[in-house]
Amino acid sequence: SQQGEEDPQALSIQEGENATMNCSYKTSINNLQWYRQNSGRGLVHLILIRSNEREKHSGRLRVTLDTSKKSSSLLITASRAADTASYFCATLNTSGTYKYIFGTGTRLKVLA
Amino acid sequence: GAGVSQSPSNKVTEKGKDVELRCDPISGHTALYWYRQSLGQGLEFLIYFQGNSAPDKSGLPSDRFSAERTGGSVSTLTIQRTQQEDSAVYLCASSLNEESEKLFFGSGTQLSVL
Repeated sequence: SQQGEEDPQALSIQEGENATMNCSYKTSINNLQWYRQNSGRGLVHLILIRSNEREKHSGRLRVTLDTSKKSSSLLITASRAADTASYFCATLNTSGTYKYIFGTGTRLKVLA
Repeated sequence: GAGVSQSPSNKVTEKGKDVELRCDPISGHTALYWYRQSLGQGLEFLIYFQGNSAPDKSGLPSDRFSAERTGGSVSTLTIQRTQQEDSAVYLCASSLNEESEKLFFGSGTQLSVL
């Protein structure tokens, strides 16, 4: 399969706790992005990290990238019930075409 | 339009029939992507367009699947002789161009093949 893999597949936490999701991929990449999906429909872009970056922040989001391990993590701090959604990583590899490969996703449930 | 528009939002068809799914990208976006998502699964890449040409169509599952884009805008994904395993949500996304990195997604078409 071309897809990256994410773990855990599902995560349930209490409001106010931090949520960490991991993504592993298979090929050399130009960048890695995280997307959020509510209710199994359209995805929304959250954050992008380039292959020469190791960490990036945006509001309550923190993304890390380890290209030697071909892995990334997404941390959501001080989670809220509204963060309940599925989260996907997407990679752009260095193959020469702009084909984004998505991971299998983590279903996050934040309990109020 | 303000966002990526897909139609129909839901399509129920009988096995063996042909279906056409439509995607209207954000105005001015030259890159357009089609993905398929089966229930509870990740997104499976199908094809992407830059302008009217398709630099990568490696994800089309079989020759029953085809896609075209005309005028650098609207795209149609056609599935011929539908099978039950084609049932999925078909998602379209666009970006300013193929180098702009951020994809904007439509709400998808839920296809059910009976």
